[in-house]
Amino acid sequence: AQSVTQPDIHITVSEGASLELRCNYSYGATPYLFWYVQSPGQGLQLLLKYFSGDTLVQGIKGFEAEFKRSQSSFNLRKPSVHWSDAAEYFCAVGAASGGGADGLTFGKGTHLIIQP
Amino acid sequence: DTEVTQTPKHLVMGMTNKKSLKCEQHMGHRAMYWYKQKAKKPPELMFVYSYEKLSINESVPSRFSPECPNSSLLNLHLHALQPEDSALYLCASSQGARMFVAAFFGQGTRLTVV
Repeated sequence: AQSVTQPDIHITVSEGASLELRCNYSYGATPYLFWYVQSPGQGLQLLLKYFSGDTLVQGIKGFEAEFKRSQSSFNLRKPSVHWSDAAEYFCAVGAASGGGADGLTFGKGTHLIIQP
Repeated sequence: DTEVTQTPKHLVMGMTNKKSLKCEQHMGHRAMYWYKQKAKKPPELMFVYSYEKLSINESVPSRFSPECPNSSLLNLHLHALQPEDSALYLCASSQGARMFVAAFFGQGTRLTVV
């Protein structure tokens, strides 16, 4: 079974500083990886996804993530954060088993706090 | 239209009530999902419908009953819930039978059981 670990429960970053959120996955085959963002009381918004090909993936809102198979990681980055980036960030892995639909397995999330 | 619409946004119900949550998408997606999210926790998969057929039921108690009347609609019928069922219920949809193709979540229904 697949699993996702987000080692950082909380991260505090100053506005304008760079950001990296860590994600490690465990999956026997090629994983399908996602980053979602959730503002309080809201649904989840897809930031970016990785299926195959180029290991550096560009997403919305200036985010990018890099897939590193050797480290089983899919870390999320942004060069300069804005106060509006404060939210909960979830890394998720999807299985690619044959037949039927597969749901996502989420990490526990990283709460991002932006300092002025 | 790239939205998954969930109604109602908020719901308070007693333990003896029967209520339903509704989810709608018009993106032509053929897989739809229900997730449950407790406060400060990640979403947990409850049910998956693929081509209007239930394909995954993650050992959810029978007081939750999903229904997929057509490819655009997904309902979750609630009956005799417990206070611990209070949570944010999220609906999602994806194109085809694999979640990775395109995954869109609704804004959720905040359910409180009293």
